[in-house]
Amino acid sequence: GENVEQHPSTLSVQEGDSAVIKCTYSDSASNYFPWYKQELGKGPQLIIDIRSNVGEKKDQRIAVTLNKTAKHFSLHITETQPEDSAVYFCAGRQGGFKTIFGAGTRLFVKA
Amino acid sequence: GAGVSQSPSNKVTEKGKDVELRCDPISGHTALYWYRQRLGQGLEFLIYFQGNSAPDKSGLPSDRFSAERTGESVSTLTIQRTQQEDSAVYLCASSRDRGRYEQYFGPGTRLTVT
Repeated sequence: GENVEQHPSTLSVQEGDSAVIKCTYSDSASNYFPWYKQELGKGPQLIIDIRSNVGEKKDQRIAVTLNKTAKHFSLHITETQPEDSAVYFCAGRQGGFKTIFGAGTRLFVKA
Repeated sequence: GAGVSQSPSNKVTEKGKDVELRCDPISGHTALYWYRQRLGQGLEFLIYFQGNSAPDKSGLPSDRFSAERTGESVSTLTIQRTQQEDSAVYLCASSRDRGRYEQYFGPGTRLTVT
């Protein structure tokens, strides 16, 4: 079955710097890769997603890149702000219903 | 419109008791998922409902766990004879249908088994 690995588990950056979180997946049939942000005491919220027919997608300060050959995808946050501090999860989905999540990255943005 | 809601937000129970957790999906969403999130860990798939199809229960960790859904609305997750290892946040998510991949999560129910 699909396995999604996420690195790093913790990331600390200075406000204004960029943050990069990387994920790898095992099943080459996976075709949908969402990223979720989870703030303390809340459920995960979808922030950006990418499908396997696209290599990069941007939404303001957030971008996701996908390398299908290497089976890895990354989240890039530019000009980080304190409110970006949260836990971020990557995930992979094959086209059925089951979405497999990474273990999460706790991002700290220091003011 | 209203998002996914879950109740209770917190539940403390004694080992061996049964608990019921409730999820109200977004109106019109036919797909509903339950996940378990242990402290500091990722999301573990438990069960999936799609319309009137038979649910996929492949993620349920033991026969103490069960879930029901009434049509395309409310779902309840039941844990019988709770154990301390059941302590976790239980998250519910819904999506418009099987073909729409975006999942919308509720705030979760934090279950503590003492």
